[in-house]
Amino acid sequence: AQSVTQPDIHITVSEGASLELRCNYSYGATPYLFWYVQSPGQGLQLLLKYFSGDTLVQGIKGFEAEFKRSQSSFNLRKPSVHWSDAAEYFCAVGQGGAQKLVFGQGTRLTINP
Amino acid sequence: DAGITQSPRHKVTETGTPVTLRCHQTENHRYMYWYRQDPGHGLRLIHYSYGVKDTDKGEVSDGYSVSRSKTEDFLLTLESATSSQTSVYFCAIRSGLAGGRRTDTQYFGPGTRLTVL
Repeated sequence: AQSVTQPDIHITVSEGASLELRCNYSYGATPYLFWYVQSPGQGLQLLLKYFSGDTLVQGIKGFEAEFKRSQSSFNLRKPSVHWSDAAEYFCAVGQGGAQKLVFGQGTRLTINP
Repeated sequence: DAGITQSPRHKVTETGTPVTLRCHQTENHRYMYWYRQDPGHGLRLIHYSYGVKDTDKGEVSDGYSVSRSKTEDFLLTLESATSSQTSVYFCAIRSGLAGGRRTDTQYFGPGTRLTVL
C-alpha cells in the first residue's frame, strides 16, 4: 500500500533562516505528490504539487519542492522563512484513479524571532 | 476556498447518538471526499463520492456512512457516535479533472470539530 512518511514531527527555525521539510513516499508508479499547509484552526491550503516533468516544483508563498525518484523523496524548501510560515505542513500522495490522498503525519513548524 | 462549506463547524455530542455532518459545494464538482484529522496520523480518508449516489470506502470507513443525493451535498453520518470518533473532519472536492494531472487537485473545506463525550 502507498504510504507517506514525514520524519520530523516538529521543527524550529529562526526567522530568515532556510527551511527544508522532509517527505518520503512509497508508490509503485509515477507519483502524484502534494504539499499542503494548515494554519492553526484552519483548513488545508495547497502549496504545490508534482505530477510529471520538471523535478523542481515552484509553489505559492516562496516555497519549492524537489522530486527525487531515486530517493523516493519530495522535500519542501524555502530559502528564508517568515514568522507567518509557522504552521503544520502535510505531504501527500494521490492514489489511484479516484486520487485518494494518503497523507504523512505532518510536520509542525515553529519560527523563532 | 473552492466554494466549500461545512456544517456544523463545531459539535459536541454524547456517545451513542447519531451525528450527520454536511459538506456543500457550489461548483458542481464530481468528486467529493471526507477525511478525518487526528494528531500523529495526518489526514485519513473515510469515504469518497464520484457522482450522485456513487460512493466508496476509504481507509477508515468503519462506523461511518455517507450519502450523496445531489451533486452539491455530501453527507457523513456517524450512526452511533463513539469517543474514538472525536476528531476534526474535513471535506474536499476534486477540481480541474478535465485538465489532466496538471490541474487535477483537491481543495479542502474549513473543517468540523466533533467531540464525542
